[in-house]
Amino acid sequence: LAKTTQPISMDSYEGQEVNITCSHNNIATNDYITWYQQFPSQGPRFIIQGYKTKVTNEVASLFIPADRKSSTLSLPRVSLSDTAVYYCLVGSNDYKLSFGAGTTVTVRA
Amino acid sequence: NAGVTQTPKFQVLKTGQSMTLQCAQDMNHEYMSWYRQDPGMGLRLIHYSVGAGITDQGEVPNGYNVSRSTTEDFPLRLLSAAPSQTSVYFCASSLQGAETDTQYFGPGTRLTVL
Repeated sequence: LAKTTQPISMDSYEGQEVNITCSHNNIATNDYITWYQQFPSQGPRFIIQGYKTKVTNEVASLFIPADRKSSTLSLPRVSLSDTAVYYCLVGSNDYKLSFGAGTTVTVRA
Repeated sequence: NAGVTQTPKFQVLKTGQSMTLQCAQDMNHEYMSWYRQDPGMGLRLIHYSVGAGITDQGEVPNGYNVSRSTTEDFPLRLLSAAPSQTSVYFCASSLQGAETDTQYFGPGTRLTVL
């Protein structure tokens, strides 16, 4: 199971773009990279998943360089409601997903 | 679809008491799991199930039991509650538990053990 490292916290202001980088140096060839978002007092919810290059959906973009040793979640033009914890998950170990401590993103007015 | 539902939302127990946290999903998912989340920390896997009749241990299984008699339900039993089990418990489900399957989480149960 690939070990992931992401910043503990990030601050931003409304309207700015937020980029969260996750390091996963020992990612395996068949591992996918998945991001979840957790609002206070709620369960996590899926944001985006990718294997290589770039993936975009209505919520975020995920950039994965060719070596796949890191990935960057990009949240465009954040609002106060984007304040949450963001988890980077890489691969799984026999059906066991591993959520680290995540990155707490605080968006200020 | 209701998705993943959990009951109760809040619970206070005394040390040594037992109780069952309920989890149900209506998406016909084979994979279900239980996590606990302590303040300021990520989620830790307690137990999981890849289908009815099949369960296995996660990272922190001690003090908890599970069973999976139906596809829809996956209850978590605390055998003899301890203050260290004070936490927020989340149930999740996905199609088959593959890493590419989206995990759907319930709203959580906040448990306090005195």
